[in-house]
Parts: sequence; C-alpha cells; structure tokens
Amino acid sequence: DIQVTQSPSSLSASVGDRVTITCRASQDIVNHLAWFQQRPGKAPKSLIYAESALHSGVPSRFSGSRSGTEFTLTISNLQPEDFATYYCQQCDSYPRTFGPGTKVDVK
Amino acid sequence: EVQVVESGGGVVQPGGSLRLSCAASGFNFRSYWMTWVRQAPGKGLEWVADINQGGSETHYVDSVKGRFTVSRDNTKNSLFLQMNSLRADDTAVYHCVRGAYQSDYWGQGTLVTVSS
Repeated sequence: DIQVTQSPSSLSASVGDRVTITCRASQDIVNHLAWFQQRPGKAPKSLIYAESALHSGVPSRFSGSRSGTEFTLTISNLQPEDFATYYCQQCDSYPRTFGPGTKVDVK
Repeated sequence: EVQVVESGGGVVQPGGSLRLSCAASGFNFRSYWMTWVRQAPGKGLEWVADINQGGSETHYVDSVKGRFTVSRDNTKNSLFLQMNSLRADDTAVYHCVRGAYQSDYWGQGTLVTVSS
C-alpha cells in the first residue's frame, strides 16, 4: 500500500497569513493527489484533485503544487472559515490512502 | 442541486450486520463511480470501498475485505454498503461520496456504533 504522510500535524495561523501544508507519498503517484477540508462537526469538502485542479466553487486562495513525490497545499490570505483540518489522499492505486490530517487553528 | 444522503446507521453488537444506504439526487447517478469513506470518532478519514458506474468493478480496503460489500441500484439512484461480521473498530461515521478519482460531493454521514 502507498503510505501518505502530512506535515505539520498542526499549525497556528492568523487571518491573512499564507499557510502551506505538505503531503508526501511513499512512492510515485504522478499527480494523483487530492486535498480535502473538514471543519469541526462537518462533512469533508473536496478542494483539489489531480494535484492542482480546483473543484467548482473553491476559492482561488487555495492552490496545489507538486515537487516529485511531495505535494503542497497553499492557502494564501487565510480567512476565518479556513480554520479546519486538511487531508490529502492519493488516488493513484488501491487502497486510496488518506494522510493523517493537518489541523489549522487560530494563533 | 447535487445531494447524497446516507441512512441505515445505528448500534449493533460485535459480529452483527448492518446495511447502509446512500440516496443520490441532482445528478446522473449511473454516470459516476461512488465511494464510501469512514471516520472513527476523533480520528482521520479512511477510504473504505468504491464501485464503478455499472457495479461490475469494486475495490475495498484490506480491513473490510470479505466482510463488507458495496453495491448500487442505478434504477433507484442508490448506493449500498452491506456490513457483516462487524467489529468494534468498524465504529465510525460512514460517508457516501460522489466519484472516485475526482470525488467531489460528500454526504453528512451515518454513524455506525459496534458495541455490546
């Protein structure tokens, strides 16, 4: 199985900050990586698929990129509604493993 | 409006069975792969299973293989997860998700509690 790690496990930030979250796969997954946001008590929301493609309705302050097997989710100009936990998921092979999550909270 | 709504959760004893349903609306259900994802209390997301448009191809996480079966009824726009031989570590909120590679819409989930 492909292992997926995320860093950091948590971070504290302020409104207006630029935040970066990293996801690393244990083997090459090309660009087959997705990002999800989960606010407390809510269902996850899909943000990005195929490394950098935004789902419809996702604000442009969210972006995804890749360098080798390391993927990055960047949130520019952090908004109050962005305080949440973020998960990545590899969609290259089965089982479709998720990363353990990164919690973004208020500094 | 795209909607997926899960039902069928509840409390079941270890070794018991439960069948989850997901009612889809607002899109052409038969054109999409569908996925089940679960989340144990206070834990992260775990991919459970998915199924192709016609129901002929399915995939499972190792921990549920042989115990869970994903199926669909395209005439009723419904997705199912039959769960047998349930264990305490199956306790979770189970989410129905539209899509597989490009999953987009998530349901609110239905809680399954396995406890004696």
